[in-house]
Amino acid sequence: DAGVIQSPRHEVTEMGQEVTLRCKPISGHNSLFWYRQTMMRGLELLIYFNNNVPIDDSGMPEDRFSAKMPNASFSTLKIQPSEPRDSAVYFCASGTRTGGTGQETQYFGPGTRLLVL
Amino acid sequence: GQQLNQSPQSMFIQEGEDVSMNCTSSSIFNTWLWYKQEPGEGPVLLIALYKAGELTSNGRLTAQFGITRKDSFLNISASIPSDVGIYFCAAHSGGGADGLTFGKGTHLIIQP
Repeated sequence: DAGVIQSPRHEVTEMGQEVTLRCKPISGHNSLFWYRQTMMRGLELLIYFNNNVPIDDSGMPEDRFSAKMPNASFSTLKIQPSEPRDSAVYFCASGTRTGGTGQETQYFGPGTRLLVL
Repeated sequence: GQQLNQSPQSMFIQEGEDVSMNCTSSSIFNTWLWYKQEPGEGPVLLIALYKAGELTSNGRLTAQFGITRKDSFLNISASIPSDVGIYFCAAHSGGGADGLTFGKGTHLIIQP
């Protein structure tokens, strides 16, 4: 399996521009998560989907952030308009139930490094 | 909200030494996970723990799910240079799909 695929790997944009991050989860996983990592705040959960349905978006910082999962193999995280404080590494993770107990295990993509100037 | 207190924040050790790090919380969790992250990459899952008291090994790595369900530790035996990285504990309290709460990470630096 190719693992979780994210694109682009790096993005540099100017303040006010729209940014779209993309994720392809591991085939067969029915949960998808978007995280943000910064030096100050560490890894933070933004939103997650189960069976393509958003379950909890309480971590989304502002209305400028939106996420969609139109099908089981694709998700996007959009920032519009972008601001310098949005600069961070954004990770997508997909999950599956393992261990024979129904518990969730998550596997991370390589991340998108976003710099907003 | 839920928080994980991970310690130590960083470790400087000699190659061959054993390493121990832990995470504690005031909240109860049903799953503990340990990840390793190297520069420019995403976190890679090392060990997953699903039951209080569970002790699991993965090569030179051993992790335990605390009996109170509020803590977990990770041990690395006989460290080697490729063990360098940031180790994160993560946990969630749900029985199904649930976002993870992460510790701040332990930076492991190994001197040959």
